[in-house]
Amino acid sequence: QKEVEQNSGPLSVPEGAIASLNCTYSDRGSQSFFWYRQYSGKSPELIMFIYSNGDKEDGRFTAQLNKASQYVSLLIRDSQPSDSATYLCAVGSSASKIIFGSGTRLSIRP
Amino acid sequence: NAGVTQTPKFQVLKTGQSMTLQCAQDMNHNSMYWYRQDPGMGLRLIYYSASEGTTDKGEVPNGYNVSRLNKREFSLRLESAAPSQTSVYFCASSAPTGWQETQYFGPGTRLLVL
Repeated sequence: QKEVEQNSGPLSVPEGAIASLNCTYSDRGSQSFFWYRQYSGKSPELIMFIYSNGDKEDGRFTAQLNKASQYVSLLIRDSQPSDSATYLCAVGSSASKIIFGSGTRLSIRP
Repeated sequence: NAGVTQTPKFQVLKTGQSMTLQCAQDMNHNSMYWYRQDPGMGLRLIYYSASEGTTDKGEVPNGYNVSRLNKREFSLRLESAAPSQTSVYFCASSAPTGWQETQYFGPGTRLLVL
């Protein structure tokens, strides 16, 4: 079992709709959770991080964490074509150990 | 502020050749990392350095060596390149966000080993 699992996609969402990206992790001791966006041919860029159970909102993005279910998600409201990218979930169990999922490819169709 | 810079952007090597990938950051971060990214595999940690003068192996260190030259620079060396090392290599540096280090990535080096 991979330590951080994501559906590879592609996930196709109409413009203006909510895109929901999911991630599960295996290490119950994980303490921090990150979402990165990666455009094709570019490097990952940090969108959000979350440490506590519940929701964390930043503009059109909401990260949701459920440690009991070992589940973290990213919601993108009012999806735009510029949101089309691969989204990487990353999970940290110590200050320097961060494990990345293989990413979900998101496509926003006009 | 350039952030994290990497050179070269692209490189083609023949099997058995050696090369060094360079990385520098100007954010005064203590920790630096080297990852490789292959299709369907996500980012895998090769080596990291928690501070100047220290380095530690990550998930896939075989075939690589690193040097933390100073606080700014962290280089990755392939002594004898193999086709399996064809990949995109990312350097990252990190800053504390709460207790966790948050990583910021360079633009990447695309390496092809023939």
